[in-house]
Amino acid sequence: GQSLEQPSEVTAVEGAIVQINCTYQTSGFYGLSWYQQHDGGAPTFLSYNGLDGLEETGRFSSFLSRSDSYGYLLLQELQMKDSASYFCAVRGQAGTALIFGKGTTLSVSS
Amino acid sequence: NAGVTQTPKFQVLKTGQSMTLQCAQDMNHNSMYWYRQDPGMGLRLIYYSASEGTTDKGEVPNGYNVSRLNKREFSLRLESAAPSQTSVYFCASSERTGRPTEAFFGQGTRLTVV
Repeated sequence: GQSLEQPSEVTAVEGAIVQINCTYQTSGFYGLSWYQQHDGGAPTFLSYNGLDGLEETGRFSSFLSRSDSYGYLLLQELQMKDSASYFCAVRGQAGTALIFGKGTTLSVSS
Repeated sequence: NAGVTQTPKFQVLKTGQSMTLQCAQDMNHNSMYWYRQDPGMGLRLIYYSASEGTTDKGEVPNGYNVSRLNKREFSLRLESAAPSQTSVYFCASSERTGRPTEAFFGQGTRLTVV
């Protein structure tokens, strides 16, 4: 089967940098993504890693190491609006389902 | 371009009642999903459909049925609702090519079973 592990909570202050880690177990690998969800809202896509390395999108970056079955989401210059839940998600093979971790709640304080 | 549309947004059911949650996407995606979200449990997969005409069970399928009516629509049915099915339900869709782990979500259905 497939499973993902990520920390349940992370706290940080405005302007800081925070890293949210994700380890996964899949049979095969077809990509890792990160999603953001604000209270009461739907998850929204943040980033995709299909190959090893770092992908940068503005203040957010995501990293993947397939040999370690590990990835992380890096959020820089934190803002209060970044307070949300963040989920990593993987797909093991083409035609299989997208599976999510339990989510990391990020609280940003001033 | 609406993306993924779910109906209804809110629903209260009595134990034993049945209902169908509707989902439609206009992005021509092959894959569609139903997840439920409970506090501290993340998004748990109920059923998914990799393509029109196929459906497969996910992690928590008991008490649910699905229909992939056509490429656009994927419905979730609760035949006899139970309080344990009180949850927020999300429908999502994705495409296999390009960024295969990029999914688009509907706004959710908040279901309470009393």
